[in-house]
Amino acid sequence: EPEVTQTPSHQVTQMGQEVILRCVPISNHLYFYWYRQILGQKVEFLVSFYNNEISEKSEIFDDQFSVERPDGSNFTLKIRSTKLEDSAMYFCASTPGATAYGYTFGSGTRLTVV
Amino acid sequence: SQQGEEDPQALSIQEGENATMNCSYKTSINNLQWYRQNSGRGLVHLILIRSNEREKHSGRLRVTLDTSKKSSSLLITASRAADTASYFCATVFAGNMLTFGGGTRLMVKP
Repeated sequence: EPEVTQTPSHQVTQMGQEVILRCVPISNHLYFYWYRQILGQKVEFLVSFYNNEISEKSEIFDDQFSVERPDGSNFTLKIRSTKLEDSAMYFCASTPGATAYGYTFGSGTRLTVV
Repeated sequence: SQQGEEDPQALSIQEGENATMNCSYKTSINNLQWYRQNSGRGLVHLILIRSNEREKHSGRLRVTLDTSKKSSSLLITASRAADTASYFCATVFAGNMLTFGGGTRLMVKP
């Protein structure tokens, strides 16, 4: 069964530092997503990406966040200057098409900002 | 907000019993999806039901959708200890953005 792979599984960073979370979506999927889940809270949408462009983003996804598909396989989320409140589980996901597809999620990266 | 809200928040049953979880939402939707999350792990897609569908089955799972009441239910029949997890509904209003509810924590005791 194809999987979405995320690295690292855990990341601890100092407040104010930049972090890059990495994801390898399923190879024939066209849409890529980042979601986050702060401990004890709901899973929240951050951004969707298609054809090398952001297609949707939430209010959470401010100028501190950016996404990139640097090559044919990786999809990254960068947080430029981390804050304590960025501590969360970050999930990458992909779908083959635009609508009415179930997502395939990765196992997540637990980001802890200290 | 069109977020889904599940109830109950927590459910504890014995192995072999059925588990029913409910989800309510606020606006019209394109589709509704159910996901499972084992503790500290990623979300696993279980089933998708479109707004023009009323019921779907997948193995031991049965999902219903009532768009007039803006609600859905997930039934797991003949539950197993391995079904212990959190279950989330997620709605799609437009595009393909998922809006998640708070989840139901299911414990199935052996």
